[in-house]
Amino acid sequence: EPEVTQTPSHQVTQMGQEVILRCVPISNHLYFYWYRQILGQKVEFLVSFYNNEISEKSEIFDDQFSVERPDGSNFTLKIRSTKLEDSAMYFCASSELAAEYSPLHFGNGTRLTVT
Amino acid sequence: AQTVTQSQPEMSVQEAETVTLSCTYDTSESDYYLFWYKQPPSRQMILVIRQEAYKQQNATENRFSVNFQKAAKSFSLKISDSQLGDAAMYFCAYHTGNQFYFGTGTSLTVIP
Repeated sequence: EPEVTQTPSHQVTQMGQEVILRCVPISNHLYFYWYRQILGQKVEFLVSFYNNEISEKSEIFDDQFSVERPDGSNFTLKIRSTKLEDSAMYFCASSELAAEYSPLHFGNGTRLTVT
Repeated sequence: AQTVTQSQPEMSVQEAETVTLSCTYDTSESDYYLFWYKQPPSRQMILVIRQEAYKQQNATENRFSVNFQKAAKSFSLKISDSQLGDAAMYFCAYHTGNQFYFGTGTSLTVIP
């Protein structure tokens, strides 16, 4: 069964550094998402992406965050200048249709640790 | 504001028994979707079951069923004949438009 793939599984970075989290969605999916979960807290929506542009974003997704689909397969989340509070598990998800019409498929997540 | 509450941080069940995980939500919307996701130790979330708010009939998927009470804004998950592989974190989620709201999760332990 096709899977959403995320790399790396764990990323450690120093405060102020830029990080790029990578995701390969399922190939025929058209909608892409990033979520994050701070340890012990709920899963939080960051951004959704469709047709090469952001379709929705939360208040968490400020100017420090950006997403890109640089080619036909990758979907990346960039954090420009990381802060300690960015430490979290980041989940990428994709869906064939808009999420209300088809299930989200999540990746295994990237654990980001900012020191 | 939409919120999802899972009041049971941890639950345990004996293998082959039935367990119910609770979830309540708050919304002013009339059209929305509710989900239960399972997050095993491998960390990938898997969709367990979904319910459309406009459907009165409770969704069922094999051993998994929900008790959807729209007026009470309650969406509990019942797992029948629990198996060791059911051990995981379970997230209740509410969806409307293009956003999802997740609860804090319930960690389910299955006792052999």
